[in-house]
Amino acid sequence: DTEVTQTPKHLVMGMTNKKSLKCEQHMGHRAMYWYKQKAKKPPELMFVYSYEKLSINESVPSRFSPECPNSSLLNLHLHALQPEDSALYLCASSQDFAASSYEQYFGPGTRLTVT
Amino acid sequence: GEDVEQSLFLSVREGDSSVINCTYTDSSSTYLYWYKQEPGAGLQLLTYIFSNMDMKQDQRLTVLLNKKDKHLSLRIADTQTGDSAIYFCAELRGSSASKIIFGSGTRLSIRP
Repeated sequence: DTEVTQTPKHLVMGMTNKKSLKCEQHMGHRAMYWYKQKAKKPPELMFVYSYEKLSINESVPSRFSPECPNSSLLNLHLHALQPEDSALYLCASSQDFAASSYEQYFGPGTRLTVT
Repeated sequence: GEDVEQSLFLSVREGDSSVINCTYTDSSSTYLYWYKQEPGAGLQLLTYIFSNMDMKQDQRLTVLLNKKDKHLSLRIADTQTGDSAIYFCAELRGSSASKIIFGSGTRLSIRP
């Protein structure tokens, strides 16, 4: 099973709303990632969790708040977003964060629209 | 420069071979990847090559790596309509804090 699942598939939220994106994998992977992908652009790394600890924050605004409650789950909490935050949010996982084992598997993404 | 570069579009006839090219930036990159993204979907890891290899073949896919020129290519033999997608080249940069850096993506379209 090489599946990473994400919910919801689509999300529309206002600028004053609070919502969360969820990601789950059951491959025993210990590294999980959030990416943001704007239309016609490549994915851009936002956060990396390694063994449930935040390892990389790519200077993401604080209105995005990641959380890794356990090794299978990764959340992205959203609050006071702007319309320019509308994008496809992709979750990925890999066996660990070491360069020697670096196949990243992506989920289908959550398409977020901020109105 | 800092970017992983790819041409934006490629159009091939069904049944022909497709060759998608990429130039990456970091000569110390250990892994180089090809991902496929269909419309509205996430990224599917197609194949990857370790930097000490110069070729890898997997069914219809052939990856060629020219480390000297930092050039990577993906050849898809007998291209089918289901191969229509955006193909992203990516490199793994860094050692202790590894990050995957994606190219801009090549949109492959298939004509009958």
